Amino acid sequence: DAKTTQPTSMDCAEGRAANLPCNHSTISGNEYVYWYRQIHSQGPQYIIHGLKNNETNEMASLIITEDRKSSTLILPHATLRDTAVYYCIVGLNNQAGTALIFGKGTTLSVSS
Amino acid sequence: DVKVTQSSRYLVKRTGEKVFLECVQDMDHENMFWYRQDPGLGLRLIYFSYDVKMKEKGDIPEGYSVSREKKERFSLILESASTNQTSMYLCASRYGGPTEAFFGQGTRLTVV
Repeated sequence: DAKTTQPTSMDCAEGRAANLPCNHSTISGNEYVYWYRQIHSQGPQYIIHGLKNNETNEMASLIITEDRKSSTLILPHATLRDTAVYYCIVGLNNQAGTALIFGKGTTLSVSS
Repeated sequence: DVKVTQSSRYLVKRTGEKVFLECVQDMDHENMFWYRQDPGLGLRLIYFSYDVKMKEKGDIPEGYSVSREKKERFSLILESASTNQTSMYLCASRYGGPTEAFFGQGTRLTVV
């Protein structure tokens, strides 16, 4: 079973920040938090990942709580093209093979 | 750009046929994955491979096998296709460690 819990769906107005929460209360010390998204009919797309520090890239910001039991993905200015299913995943840093186990994700709907 | 290429976008096969789904990546990634995606069930891991000739079962390996004879190619085999294997199949690859995974566009398999 997936080790994360996400809301089933969220709505966001275009131009506003979208804040997508994820609970991973059983995360272990060497597990990373990854975020992917899947736009309809396409393969999932990587967004960002982090271990314990907050991370930012050109797509989004990742805020991880100090106890690492939850995180929030922030899309600072959501657009209609950000409408997608967003997956929060935890995985090991393991050279021998890190299998990313997806849950059901959060369906984000961005409207004008 | 990294490319993960799946051999077919759409495939229709008959019950009982042996089916091969091919996936090729061009980035020398160690890890490769096969998922299936069904409405309401999200992405479920079938098998993954962390090196040539190495494989690990995922959450739903029953009815499937895999082959990885070369680093760039990971094949999913349905030994005797059944109608409950009608699904979208997604291949992914990544380097070892906490890196992003790249997904193919998927193969929509219909077993009749």
